[in-house]
Amino acid sequence: EVQLVESGGGLVQPGGSLRLSCATSGFTFDNFAMSWVRQAPGKGLEWVSGISGTGRDMYYADSVKGRFTISRDNSKNTVYLQMHSLRAEDTAVYFCVKPEPYGSGSYYEGFWGQGTRVTVSS
Amino acid sequence: EIVLTQSPATLSLSPGERATLSCRASQSVSSYLAWYQQKPGQAPRLLIYDASNRATGIPARFSGSGSGTDFTLTISSLEPEDFAVYYCQQRSKWLEFTFGGGTKVEIK
Repeated sequence: EVQLVESGGGLVQPGGSLRLSCATSGFTFDNFAMSWVRQAPGKGLEWVSGISGTGRDMYYADSVKGRFTISRDNSKNTVYLQMHSLRAEDTAVYFCVKPEPYGSGSYYEGFWGQGTRVTVSS
Repeated sequence: EIVLTQSPATLSLSPGERATLSCRASQSVSSYLAWYQQKPGQAPRLLIYDASNRATGIPARFSGSGSGTDFTLTISSLEPEDFAVYYCQQRSKWLEFTFGGGTKVEIK
């Protein structure tokens, strides 16, 4: 059974840093890219960042580029999101997401963690 | 960046009625479009992938159509558990994707 368990959220002051972790199990971790998606209170879903299975390729939304860094430790089956220079608008629930293969070579977000809440406030 | 625009923002319907949700892309995404359902306090759940294919375990009352820039999610007869927020997602680029703003289907 696929499991994604996020941790590391909390209250942080503007300009501060936080590192989120997503511990996974139930699948061959280094075979899959992973992503982070966030949801601000009462708002919609926003893709934040993605990383390839090897960890070599990383992608970021413009809203976090230069401030957030995604990484993974394939020996620990864990993906991370290091967040710096946090702003009030980064306040959200952050979901760890695993893509699943569907159809003829397509991938979609089949598995989601329960999310970890990040609040940026003084 | 491909922008997805969903309409309407809110749909007020009664159980048993038909729901029609729209998603329009700012440029063609071919058929690389999915629909998700999200209930309060829960993570989203994949309903439809590649525009028109139901994910495993999704009831037949959910159907998707469209290609290119215009897509539709139809719920043929609303069940009480279908009242939720629905998001479309484009997946035309690997590891970079976007969601629409969501449509809330609420009980009239």
